[in-house]
This record gives sequence, C-alpha cells and structure tokens, in this order.
Amino acid sequence: QKEVEQNSGPLSVPEGAIASLNCTYSDRGSQSFFWYRQYSGKSPELIMFIYSNGDKEDGRFTAQLNKASQYVSLLIRDSQPSDSATYLCAVRQDNAGNMLTFGGGTRLMVKP
Amino acid sequence: KAGVTQTPRYLIKTRGQQVTLSCSPISGHRSVSWYQQTPGQGLQFLFEYFSETQRNKGNFPGRFSGRQFSNSRSEMNVSTLELGDSALYLCASSTWTDGVSTEAFFGQGTRLTVV
Repeated sequence: QKEVEQNSGPLSVPEGAIASLNCTYSDRGSQSFFWYRQYSGKSPELIMFIYSNGDKEDGRFTAQLNKASQYVSLLIRDSQPSDSATYLCAVRQDNAGNMLTFGGGTRLMVKP
Repeated sequence: KAGVTQTPRYLIKTRGQQVTLSCSPISGHRSVSWYQQTPGQGLQFLFEYFSETQRNKGNFPGRFSGRQFSNSRSEMNVSTLELGDSALYLCASSTWTDGVSTEAFFGQGTRLTVV
C-alpha cells in the first residue's frame, strides 16, 4: 500500500516564527509532491509543488524534497495567524495522470 | 479565469437513493479527478477522467461511477447510498504540458449527507 505519513498535530507556533511541516512517503516511484492548505470547512488550496530534490522557495513558503530519504517538508517563515489551517501533503507517480495520494494532514496553529 | 465549479454545494439524501454530482473544470483543463474526504479516512482518490476516458480508478466499490463530457465537464454518480458515503466530495482539474500532468486545483466541494 502506498502511504503518505504526516504528524496530525496540532503544531503550535508563535506568530512570526518558522513552522516546519514534515511528510514521508513509502512509494519510491513518487515523482511529484504537493502541499495543500485547507481551512476548516473549505476545500484544499495548492500552495507549493516540487518535483526535484532540493529546496523551492515561494514567498514565505519553502518546500524541501529529499527523494533518497523519501521525505518532503514545508517551511513557513514569519508565520501568521491566518496560516492556521490543516496542511496536506500529496504525492504523485509519473505516468499516473493526476492521481494524488494524500497524507492525513498536519493541523497548524499560529498563536498571536 | 474561473476556477473549478462544483454543484450542488450541499446535498441531503436518504439511504438507498442515488446522487449525481457535477464538476466544471478550469477553462482549458481536460483532466478531472474526484476525491472523497471524510474525517476518518482523509482524502481518497476516486477516479480521474481525461478526454472523456477514465484514466485511473481508486479503491471504491462499483456504486461509485463517473463520466466526462466532450466539454471536459464531469459527473460522478453514487448509487444505493449508504450512511458511510456521507463526505465532502471534491473535484480537481488539471491540464497537460509536454506529456506531464500539471498541478491539480480543487473546487469548493459538494457536502453530501446521507440520512
């Protein structure tokens, strides 16, 4: 069974701090990695994607991928209360169309 | 550019009934995927359609089916509803670039309650 694992949290960080969210996956055939943010009662919103080993930065967000360790992370710098949400990690194999396998999500709480 | 549109937003059905949900993808997107989200199981892949053909199918019973039309709009149908089918049903659309699927964007979802 292809699995994506995330710590369910809640992860609590003070406003202005760096939030670090982690995700591991079991299928070595996974090639594409996505981070979605989901507010309570809303649908997932794509915030980052990464396809190659290393870091990818977009504003306050940095995605990090290490395929050898089967590990992908999301860093949120200068965390804001509005970042409080559940963050979902998703992985996709090449040649799998757009079939995503999701982790259970990490609930992030940013305290003012 | 309009996003992914799902209708209806909310549905209440009785056990044993059937239901049809609709999804209009982002203009120009030809791939539509469906997911079920429940508190216990999280987000689970149902199926994906591309150019009116089912490309992938998740591990759900045959009561769950879908189709895609020539304008890329998609519908999913659940027959003989069970209480456990109560969930948020999400549709995601994407396109293809250089033979690779792009990122998927989700619609607002349809909240189905089976009573």
